[in-house]
Amino acid sequence: NAGVTQTPKFQVLKTGQSMTLQCAQDMNHNSMYWYRQDPGMGLRLIYYSASEGTTDKGEVPNGYNVSRLNKREFSLRLESAAPSQTSVYFCASSIPGDGEQYFGPGTRLTVT
Amino acid sequence: RKEVEQDPGPFNVPEGATVAFNCTYSNSASQSFFWYRQDCRKEPKLLMSVYSSGNEDGRFTAQLNRASQYISLLIRDSKLSDSATYLCVVNIVGNTGKLIFGQGTTLQVKP
Repeated sequence: NAGVTQTPKFQVLKTGQSMTLQCAQDMNHNSMYWYRQDPGMGLRLIYYSASEGTTDKGEVPNGYNVSRLNKREFSLRLESAAPSQTSVYFCASSIPGDGEQYFGPGTRLTVT
Repeated sequence: RKEVEQDPGPFNVPEGATVAFNCTYSNSASQSFFWYRQDCRKEPKLLMSVYSSGNEDGRFTAQLNRASQYISLLIRDSKLSDSATYLCVVNIVGNTGKLIFGQGTTLQVKP
């Protein structure tokens, strides 16, 4: 089992460019999440998907869109990147309501 | 006010020391509590759940005080490998599985 995988691991974008961060899990989890982590701010939830076919906003959704492509995959899209979106992005999955979330290795994004 | 607050540290302790971290949460509807560990430039991983009666896992002891709305983590006989950031995490009733993370407390264990 690979667990939760994310691509790419690193990315540098110029302001205004777009990109999609990919996430996949092989644990048959219904729930998936996207977080960003910034120094001194901890992990903040961007979007989540409680089950296939549903997505909801988290704490910091502005500037992002998501797609729950199927049960395994949950992608995060930046339509027009801004320097404020420079961060480390983590995808996670879990059984619904379970406190244990399994995280991917993260994507380090820099927007110049 | 942050929903989950932790002292960011860093806590610098010698090997073998006992160290304790506290965390406070603001939402009285919080129903379950956890400590996650995050190594430098790695993803967070669940360290242990925190139960009302307190629980122990080897050198690690977690306590919950619902009346005062705080959670603690005690590490005994610190090892170099315990150096990491410890994240306090709560799950709120009706929050559909969403977790609220504290900003983390950094521990450095020195030889």
